[in-house]
Amino acid sequence: QKEVEQDPGPLSVPEGAIVSLNCTYSNSAFQYFMWYRQYSRKGPELLMYTYSSGNKEDGRFTAQVDKSSKYISLFIRDSQPSDSATYLCAMGGITGFQKLVFGTGTRLLVSP
Amino acid sequence: EAGVVQSPRYKIIEKKQPVAFWCNPISGHNTLYWYRQNLGQGPELLIRYENEEAVDDSQLPKDRFSAERLKGVDSTLKIQPAELGDSAVYLCASSSWREETQYFGPGTRLLVL
Repeated sequence: QKEVEQDPGPLSVPEGAIVSLNCTYSNSAFQYFMWYRQYSRKGPELLMYTYSSGNKEDGRFTAQVDKSSKYISLFIRDSQPSDSATYLCAMGGITGFQKLVFGTGTRLLVSP
Repeated sequence: EAGVVQSPRYKIIEKKQPVAFWCNPISGHNTLYWYRQNLGQGPELLIRYENEEAVDDSQLPKDRFSAERLKGVDSTLKIQPAELGDSAVYLCASSSWREETQYFGPGTRLLVL
């Protein structure tokens, strides 16, 4: 079993839809929870991160962490075609954000 | 501010040939990472440098991979000899103690024939 599990998709939605992306993990030592966005032929870029548990909102994006269920989510409101990309969750433990374990990524397609 | 720079962007070689990738991190970032990303997978850490010291190379296949970061700035990752299974995107990232995040470069896409 992988430490971090993520559905590879693709997930196809119409423009304006609410998107829910999720990851589960098995290592209870994880404290840093991050979401990266990766466009085709580009490097990942950090979208949001949460330390420990709780919710965090930034514009159309909301990240949630449920440590009791070992489950994290990224919600995208009013999705746009420009949101079409691969979304990678990443997690770090007591060594901090410098040693991250990435999920496989979920490919999101938002159609106009 | 310039981001992480990597070159070349693409490389095609025959198996058993050597190959090298170069990375220039964001100015002032003391931590540098090399990752490998296979198709349809997330990045996997190969090696992490704090300044010029390799502090985590547990996932680096040392029989054929080597890396260096002279003077604690630029870094080079080398594969010799390359195998078919080394085809992947090699990503470089950097970070500083001031921000809890890693910044990634665009990657070098390697194809071994």
